[in-house]
Amino acid sequence: AQSVTQLGSHVSVSEGALVLLRCNYSSSVPPYLFWYVQYPNQGLQLLLKYTSAATLVKGINGFEAEFKKSETSFHLTKPSAHMRDAAEYFCAVTFPGSGYSTLTFGKGTMLLVSP
Amino acid sequence: DVKVTQSSRYLVKRTGEKVFLECVQDMDHENMFWYRQDPGLGLRLIYFSYDVKMKEKGDIPEGYSVSREKKERFSLILESASTNQTSMYLCATAPGTPSGQTQYFGPGTRLLVL
Repeated sequence: AQSVTQLGSHVSVSEGALVLLRCNYSSSVPPYLFWYVQYPNQGLQLLLKYTSAATLVKGINGFEAEFKKSETSFHLTKPSAHMRDAAEYFCAVTFPGSGYSTLTFGKGTMLLVSP
Repeated sequence: DVKVTQSSRYLVKRTGEKVFLECVQDMDHENMFWYRQDPGLGLRLIYFSYDVKMKEKGDIPEGYSVSREKKERFSLILESASTNQTSMYLCATAPGTPSGQTQYFGPGTRLLVL
């Protein structure tokens, strides 16, 4: 069965600092991987996704993630945090050919940005 | 742009009431999903539908049912609401093929059961 683990339920950074949110997946076949962001009282919005093309994926708002098969990881990074990046971030996994595009989500990481 | 709307942003119901949560999408997507979101637990799939009148159980279907009579509308039904169903409910849609498509989310309904 597929699963996703997000390390750290909360991550705190200062404005301007590097953002690193960790995601590790478990699967026996090559996955598709997603990062979503949820701002307060809103639904989820896609940040970026990996679907077996380039291993370094660039998303919206300056975020990027790198797929590392050897480490079964898909960590999300941003060079310089902004106050507006404060939100909850979810990593999710699915598999090509799995049917219906069902996703398995991690438990989320809340990003706190201080001035 | 995909638009996914949910009938209510906030809802307060009493224990034992029958509750309907509605989701409507305007992108002709085949797949629709209902999740519940709870702090520290992330999103958990309740049910999904891959076509009109077709449904599949997700990870936590107990206490819920769904209805999809039209392609654009997917309803989540709590037959007899209980306090442990107090949660945020999120609807999502995705194209049917190929698999592995992006899911698009509605704004969510925050349900409080008293």
